[in-house]
Amino acid sequence: QKEVEQNSGPLSVPEGAIASLNCTYSDRGSQSFFWYRQYSGKSPELIMFIYSNGDKEDGRFTAQLNKASQYVSLLIRDSQPSDSATYLCAVTGMGMGTDKLIFGTGTRLQVFP
Amino acid sequence: EAGVTQSPTHLIKTRGQQATLRCSPISGHTSVYWYQQALGLGLQFLLWYDEGEERNRGNFPPRFSGRQFPNYSSELNVNALELEDSALYLCASSSPGQGSGANVLTFGAGSRLTVL
Repeated sequence: QKEVEQNSGPLSVPEGAIASLNCTYSDRGSQSFFWYRQYSGKSPELIMFIYSNGDKEDGRFTAQLNKASQYVSLLIRDSQPSDSATYLCAVTGMGMGTDKLIFGTGTRLQVFP
Repeated sequence: EAGVTQSPTHLIKTRGQQATLRCSPISGHTSVYWYQQALGLGLQFLLWYDEGEERNRGNFPPRFSGRQFPNYSSELNVNALELEDSALYLCASSSPGQGSGANVLTFGAGSRLTVL
């Protein structure tokens, strides 16, 4: 079982719609959860992070965390063509004093006009 | 403020050779992370350095090694290159004040290694 799993997509949504990206993780001890965006040929950039169960909103983005079900999601409201990218879910790994970040393989989002 | 810088941008080597990649973190950041991003495989954790010490390494063979210098810059060495080492190597840094609960990584642009 992969440590962090994401549907590779592509997820295609029309401009203005809500895009919903999901991620599941295997380590129940995981504490911090991150969403990164990676445009083709570019390096990942942080969108937001979440530590506590529930929702966290930042502009058009909402991260949702459910530790009991071991999933984290990212909602993008009013999707724009410029949101077309690969979205990477990342989770802190388990271990004594380890802070390594484990990434999923990413979901490719396509927003069409 | 300068971001994370990596060099070289591109590197072409042949099998069996050695490659050295370099990374300068954001000023004030003491932790440096290395990731490998091969086509279709996502980001694979390679190494984590903090305060000059190797804190953790991923599931990679010993021919992947590195170090962190007193100025917190880092280099990644890959010995005895194999074809499957061809990938984008990303360096990231984080601030010491963020602790284990908030590993906000800022990535560099990456070094693309091609092994022929």
